[in-house]
Amino acid sequence: AQSVSQHNHHVILSEAASLELGCNYSYGGTVNLFWYVQYPGQHLQLLLKYFSGDPLVKGIKGFEAEFIKSKFSFNLRKPSVQWSDTAEYFCAVKNQAGTALIFGKGTTLSVSS
Amino acid sequence: GAGVSQSPSNKVTEKGKDVELRCDPISGHTALYWYRQSLGQGLEFLIYFQGNSAPDKSGLPSDRFSAERTGGSVSTLTIQRTQQEDSAVYLCASSLLPINEQFFGPGTRLTVL
Repeated sequence: AQSVSQHNHHVILSEAASLELGCNYSYGGTVNLFWYVQYPGQHLQLLLKYFSGDPLVKGIKGFEAEFIKSKFSFNLRKPSVQWSDTAEYFCAVKNQAGTALIFGKGTTLSVSS
Repeated sequence: GAGVSQSPSNKVTEKGKDVELRCDPISGHTALYWYRQSLGQGLEFLIYFQGNSAPDKSGLPSDRFSAERTGGSVSTLTIQRTQQEDSAVYLCASSLLPINEQFFGPGTRLTVL
């Protein structure tokens, strides 16, 4: 069965530190990959997505992610985090049937000012 | 309202009772998804509707769970004879195209006592 692994359960950073959140998926075929974010008290919203083309994708709020097919990875990065980036981050991959997203368990990011 | 709406926002019920959760997708979105988020877990896919096609029910955890989508718009998720393990946040999402950007609602927090 397809799965998504997020290696970090809880990450704590100071403002201006660099961020990298790991994500690995199990499916070896054509993949559509997503990062979603859930700020405290808010809905899940899309940060960025990869369907094809340039493996380095840029999203909102200065986030980017790199698709590395050989490593089955889609890690999320941000060069300098802000207190407002405190949130839960979810990596997801489209399932083989194309009917849903398979989500990782999420990474909680806490940024101290 | 431009976003996905869900009602009720919170539901507390007794074990064994039936509950209905409602989702109003974004107007014009043909695809509608239900997910469940349990404490410490990622989002678990439940069911997918796309236009007039037969829904993908492969994620429903038991036959106590059912969902319908009337007129290609509003959807209702019904849980019969609720159990304590059904306690979770139930999220609805919609998208203009299948597995394009999914827009999530605020969720219904279900507590089964």
